[in-house]
Amino acid sequence: DVKVTQSSRYLVKRTGEKVFLECVQDMDHENMFWYRQDPGLGLRLIYFSYDVKMKEKGDIPEGYSVSREKKERFSLILESASTNQTSMYLCASSPSSYGYTFGSGTRLTVV
Amino acid sequence: QQQVKQSPQSLIVQKGGISIINCAYENTAFDYFPWYQQFPGKGPALLIAIRPDVSEKKEGRFTISFNKSAKQFSLHIMDSQPGDSATYFCAASNFNKFYFGSGTKLNVKP
Repeated sequence: DVKVTQSSRYLVKRTGEKVFLECVQDMDHENMFWYRQDPGLGLRLIYFSYDVKMKEKGDIPEGYSVSREKKERFSLILESASTNQTSMYLCASSPSSYGYTFGSGTRLTVV
Repeated sequence: QQQVKQSPQSLIVQKGGISIINCAYENTAFDYFPWYQQFPGKGPALLIAIRPDVSEKKEGRFTISFNKSAKQFSLHIMDSQPGDSATYFCAASNFNKFYFGSGTKLNVKP
């Protein structure tokens, strides 16, 4: 089974802090994605990557950046955390155009 | 603008009943329509998916009905069980970019 591992289940950070969310997949997938999940809004795409060192903006990239230095690892960076970035963050990977596998999520609270 | 609209937001069904969740989309370029199931504290997991060249797909108690002309698709859960209580997301994709509905929280009462 494909495993997508997000390093933290719960995080509490202070406003203005730089926050790193890490995601690792173990199946050599080309594509990786970061979503945030908020009640009533579903899943919204923040950034995605089709290959190492490649990144593309999703629908809500403002306030975020990403890094993909190795194929298996995709990091989401909150440059200066704000309270409106309190959310559940989900990482996903896929080998092709179909079939996402999601991680278990990181619930981030910014105080 | 939400690419995929999902309803209802929440649903309560008695054990043994049929749960029906509906989704609508606008972009005719979408070519893959999956449903995801999410339990509390877990990430979404692929439940069942359909491509637009078929009108129905069934896997066990789960069926997707797809109406290409109406640009609508729905998930039917037959003989709903308390273990089916979860949040369900529909999605539509084109060229590896997925758009998700807002989710339906299903509660199946014993």
